[in-house]
Amino acid sequence: GAVVSQHPSWVICKSGTSVKIECRSLDFQATTMFWYRQFPKQSLMLMATSNEGSKATYEQGVEKDKFLINHASLTLSTLTVTSAHPEDSSFYICSARVGTASSDTQYFGPGTRLTVL
Amino acid sequence: GDSVTQMEGPVTLSEEAFLTINCTYTATGYPSLFWYVQYPGEGLQLLLKATKADDKGSNKGFEATYRKETTSFHLEKGSVQVSDSAVYFCALIRAGGTSYGKLTFGQGTILTVHP
Repeated sequence: GAVVSQHPSWVICKSGTSVKIECRSLDFQATTMFWYRQFPKQSLMLMATSNEGSKATYEQGVEKDKFLINHASLTLSTLTVTSAHPEDSSFYICSARVGTASSDTQYFGPGTRLTVL
Repeated sequence: GDSVTQMEGPVTLSEEAFLTINCTYTATGYPSLFWYVQYPGEGLQLLLKATKADDKGSNKGFEATYRKETTSFHLEKGSVQVSDSAVYFCALIRAGGTSYGKLTFGQGTILTVHP
């Protein structure tokens, strides 16, 4: 089946630094990737929709200058958490949609645990 | 806006017990409905889906029927195994408009199955 990887799987950083998380579709091309945030024992919250070659679309309440998304190719999207603070600590998950616009199937990465000290 | 509500967890069952995890939704139009499963240390995997009213999605012994009249998509399995222990998420995608392709998730239900 379609595989999505994320790197790193976990990261610890100091407050004020920036962290980049990569999301790759390994065996398919994804025109659309999604970034989610998951708090402990809570659901996934969609942060933004990333389309290859265009600017990401952010959900209401998500700071686009803080969470920079780049979808440089059909197999790679990156999320950069800029000037991270402890409240940004969370589990970040990406997904990739495969196929045409009529396809509703998304494949999820294993997630990245970010801890900001 | 769209929303999905799942039964509160955690759910603890003995092996071979019957499982039901309730899921109801609120959405405009005719959304597609999904159940995703997240095993410990892994990413979410699609378990089953249904795209229109009265459709039944099934996979690995799990079933869920799209009930438009009750706006529900309850997950059932007749005999659970220890290996079914995971977090289960109900989700929907709106049929069209600017939200197309965006999954709205329920809060997740932790299932633990004991031998």
